[in-house]
Amino acid sequence: SAVISQKPSRDICQRGTSLTIQCQVDSQVTMMFWYRQQPGQSLTLIATANQGSEATYESGFVIDKFPISRPNLTFSTLTVSNMSPEDSSIYLCSATGGQGPLAFFGQGTRLTVV
Amino acid sequence: GIQVEQSPPDLILQEGANSTLRCNFSDSVNNLQWFHQNPWGQLINLFYIPSGTKQNGRLSATTVATERYSLLYISSSQTTDSGVYFCAVEPMGGNNRLAFGKGNQVVVIP
Repeated sequence: SAVISQKPSRDICQRGTSLTIQCQVDSQVTMMFWYRQQPGQSLTLIATANQGSEATYESGFVIDKFPISRPNLTFSTLTVSNMSPEDSSIYLCSATGGQGPLAFFGQGTRLTVV
Repeated sequence: GIQVEQSPPDLILQEGANSTLRCNFSDSVNNLQWFHQNPWGQLINLFYIPSGTKQNGRLSATTVATERYSLLYISSSQTTDSGVYFCAVEPMGGNNRLAFGKGNQVVVIP
């Protein structure tokens, strides 16, 4: 199975600031994704991280708020910009393609905005 | 978009008991996976099961694609089975993008 490392694992941030989350996969994968899990809720897909091009965002998510990079097959970043307390969530990186359609997840980044 | 409904939302089990979790989905799917999220938030892939039946130890899963539902069976439950179980589906043409149900919160008490 693919091993996905996310950094940081948790952070407490001031409102109005930005945080960049890093995701590193230990093997080449086809697809990388970013999900948000609000407190006590399910996972919602933010965007597909496309290698070398702009990410594809789901309805309700925009590039200005959640800029994403994917410079190569195994690394991606998600930035949460101009944060407000409503952005307090777990952000999870996911990857598929290393072992067919199986999706693997990082341990998540637990973000609290104060 | 595709709808994914899981039941029951909450379940309390005595250690050693068996249980069945259900996932209904509203449209045809390429891909269906069951995950377990442990109390520390880590999501573990349990099954990739767009159709048919699979078993892995005390866990098994069955998906009846024509009727748009999947079942996850937990037998002889242990306290380590506690957590949230998520069903996630990829609709046809979904490009590996998964839609998650709201989860089944399972608590196993000794």
